[in-house]
Amino acid sequence: DAGITQSPRHKVTETGTPVTLRCHQTENHRYMYWYRQDPGHGLRLIHYSYGVKDTDKGEVSDGYSVSRSKTEDFLLTLESATSSQTSVYFCAISETSGGELFFGEGSRLTVL
Amino acid sequence: GDSVTQMEGPVTLSEEAFLTINCTYTATGYPSLFWYVQYPGEGLQLLLKATKADDKGSNKGFEATYRKETTSFHLEKGSVQVSDSAVYFCAPPPGGGFKTIFGAGTRLFVKA
Repeated sequence: DAGITQSPRHKVTETGTPVTLRCHQTENHRYMYWYRQDPGHGLRLIHYSYGVKDTDKGEVSDGYSVSRSKTEDFLLTLESATSSQTSVYFCAISETSGGELFFGEGSRLTVL
Repeated sequence: GDSVTQMEGPVTLSEEAFLTINCTYTATGYPSLFWYVQYPGEGLQLLLKATKADDKGSNKGFEATYRKETTSFHLEKGSVQVSDSAVYFCAPPPGGGFKTIFGAGTRLFVKA
């Protein structure tokens, strides 16, 4: 199995609080992605990274920011969480831009 | 841009039935194509892939052939099992350079 660890795996927070999800990889892959998964919407890309300090927006980036200061870590931050951000968040990595994705186990976030 | 069209679910089958999940794509050139599977409570994992036109990917009894003449990559299995109950995603090639945009997937229920 690809070495991808997401933390925390479960989190309950209140509206307006900041939240940071962490994705850590031990594969030294260049590309990293954050997706959210909601019933009826499948997986939607939030942000992605194509190298250290190189990030870009995905389909649903509003309300989210990311940072990648090291190859192995990709952080997703909700500056002020809202109930609409209740979801399951998945991190994925890829060695090449057209290659297969390896996914983490997911982080379930509930915003009350 | 590059994209896929995947049949909507849910698909409900009896054990040992034949499975087809349709997927058609649009792409520039002939990039690699992928099928991912998501079992309940888990992240996505690669099921099979084809790296060029006319390739057949196969794994765990599932097969998909990359057909350039019909721009299709349909997933098939001759005899499904209850353990195949999951959500299946046909993944398009990355658009905009690096990002893979998923659809809603096809949920499969297999009854004993």
